[in-house]
Amino acid sequence: KAGVTQTPRYLIKTRGQQVTLSCSPISGHRSVSWYQQTPGQGLQFLFEYFSETQRNKGNFPGRFSGRQFSNSRSEMNVSTLELGDSALYLCASSLGPVEAANYGYTFGSGTRLTVV
Amino acid sequence: DQQVKQNSPSLSVQEGRISILNCDYTNSMFDYFLWYKKYPAEGPTFLISISSIKDKNEDGRFTVFLNKSAKHLSLHIVPSQPGDSAVYFCAASGGGNKLTFGTGTQLKVEL
Repeated sequence: KAGVTQTPRYLIKTRGQQVTLSCSPISGHRSVSWYQQTPGQGLQFLFEYFSETQRNKGNFPGRFSGRQFSNSRSEMNVSTLELGDSALYLCASSLGPVEAANYGYTFGSGTRLTVV
Repeated sequence: DQQVKQNSPSLSVQEGRISILNCDYTNSMFDYFLWYKKYPAEGPTFLISISSIKDKNEDGRFTVFLNKSAKHLSLHIVPSQPGDSAVYFCAASGGGNKLTFGTGTQLKVEL
């Protein structure tokens, strides 16, 4: 059974550009969450989607947005990139939100975004 | 507001000894607690969890202890092995809501 797939693995962008990251959850998983990991800040929650609906949103500016498609695949978009957006972006999937909260997620390997 | 805190950014332990990683939380609504391990260039992997109705859960070399009155949990690894060297994140959730993660502790197990 394939795991959580994130593409691309690495990305270099220039300040002011926008970027779209993709996540394919484990087959059958309908809940997808996104986290940003930076040194010293741990994993900061971005969004959670379930059945194409955003259930929760973290404390990030409006430049960060996401969506989920009917096949549970998810994308997140960051517009007007800033140097501080350089981070590892992790996607995680679970059967559903309750299972996610109680039994944890399965994470992908992440997309390493570097903004120059 | 950091609701889940790991106050030790790093920990160094000798092979064969016990590693103790600590985590504190502030939200009394949290009822599930999890530990994840993360190697460089990989996503975090689930290690062990504990429900708030328990005070201990054991899985092989890994044991998690929960002290609800102190809002504190710890992960014990016995015996520690070099392959355990990784960043360990604790996480908590409550009411079926999202997982909140701590900032992580880098464990280094030395030969």
